[in-house]
Amino acid sequence: GAVVSQHPSWVICKSGTSVKIECRSLDFQATTMFWYRQFPKQSLMLMATSNEGSKATYEQGVEKDKFLINHASLTLSTLTVTSAHPEDSSFYICSARVQGMDEQYFGPGTRLTVT
Amino acid sequence: DAKTTQPTSMDCAEGRAANLPCNHSTISGNEYVYWYRQIHSQGPQYIIHGLKNNETNEMASLIITEDRKSSTLILPHATLRDTAVYYCIVRVTSGYALNFGKGTSLLVTP
Repeated sequence: GAVVSQHPSWVICKSGTSVKIECRSLDFQATTMFWYRQFPKQSLMLMATSNEGSKATYEQGVEKDKFLINHASLTLSTLTVTSAHPEDSSFYICSARVQGMDEQYFGPGTRLTVT
Repeated sequence: DAKTTQPTSMDCAEGRAANLPCNHSTISGNEYVYWYRQIHSQGPQYIIHGLKNNETNEMASLIITEDRKSSTLILPHATLRDTAVYYCIVRVTSGYALNFGKGTSLLVTP
């Protein structure tokens, strides 16, 4: 149990285009999902916290208008990178907190390459 | 969250025990020690956590010193698939965003 999936697992897009990444909790409900970003040879850095039915909370330095987060249901959160640039190329990882419990599980990550 | 200090990297021979240390001298009484690992290009994987007693599960053992200022994650029989970055995180709960820090890069060699 407690599986989190991400789609796509990797994506290549051209500079200036937008790309959407999905994060799904497959066998549990998640009131809260977290989005992290990881650049090569660096650790995971929290980008934003997403609560179902409300606006996401972004970490300092993360542009909310560039990284659009939608958490419309208890099993799905999406991250849209708008007007992507090469510096947005990174490994994006989501995690989901089990509703009513103090546990979170991580997705497998999405590798974004912007050319 | 209390700050943690881990060695940057460690090597371990396959089949031997891997002992990964973590210092957390400013840990508070209600903070747990969590360990996660990240295999290359994958999402983090939960390993184990503890408050003050030693813990063991199918993946690893966690030894926490009596003063709780440090801990050691033990992989009893390391395999090549255990090569990963291991993160020691101190937190009241794991249900909120985690500060991963730099972790320890463990290389298991044949």
